[in-house]
Amino acid sequence: DTEVTQTPKHLVMGMTNKKSLKCEQHMGHRAMYWYKQKAKKPPELMFVYSYEKLSINESVPSRFSPECPNSSLLNLHLHALQPEDSALYLCASSRPGRDNQPQHFGDGTRLSIL
Amino acid sequence: AQTVTQSQPEMSVQEAETVTLSCTYDTSESDYYLFWYKQPPSRQMILVIRQEAYKQQNATENRFSVNFQKAAKSFSLKISDSQLGDAAMYFCAYRSANTGNQFYFGTGTSLTVIP
Repeated sequence: DTEVTQTPKHLVMGMTNKKSLKCEQHMGHRAMYWYKQKAKKPPELMFVYSYEKLSINESVPSRFSPECPNSSLLNLHLHALQPEDSALYLCASSRPGRDNQPQHFGDGTRLSIL
Repeated sequence: AQTVTQSQPEMSVQEAETVTLSCTYDTSESDYYLFWYKQPPSRQMILVIRQEAYKQQNATENRFSVNFQKAAKSFSLKISDSQLGDAAMYFCAYRSANTGNQFYFGTGTSLTVIP
């Protein structure tokens, strides 16, 4: 069973659309992550939230806007995306700080930009 | 930023045989954690095994074991009795015990299991 739930699983959108990706976890993790992944490549870190505050933004373009409404939810708002933004978007969660615990990943949202 | 290197983009193994995937990393820290993740074509990243840098004993999880060489900054994964379900991308990852929240991933190794 997937402990980190991402919706939708697939999303096709035009370059002028606005959409949101959602991620939910109920493991009590207080660190949550967004990654972008291209085929056969490692995940690229986009954002990290720690205790619902944005702690890392890896110079991601402003057309991607993250939001952490509470400790269980993480959103990624999308607007005016480019074709090169087509990828698998992974959400992950972990216990924050200095810890030997791994990240737990969702199944991802496969995003296609027309 | 830490650097994690996987020098084998692709590997193959005969079913029931043993294969070793390599991972090296660059760090000046003495305390950290290392992980191997598996990502099958169904795409969810799944933890395979973890190792704490302060532990000398190599971690083992059923058919999966690691060879952790701290001085050499090497963390290889051995898969014994390979099964068809082991076919996947494997990523090595590093987590600092000091800065904590960031995980650094290697470039990945695509493992094919030959029946």
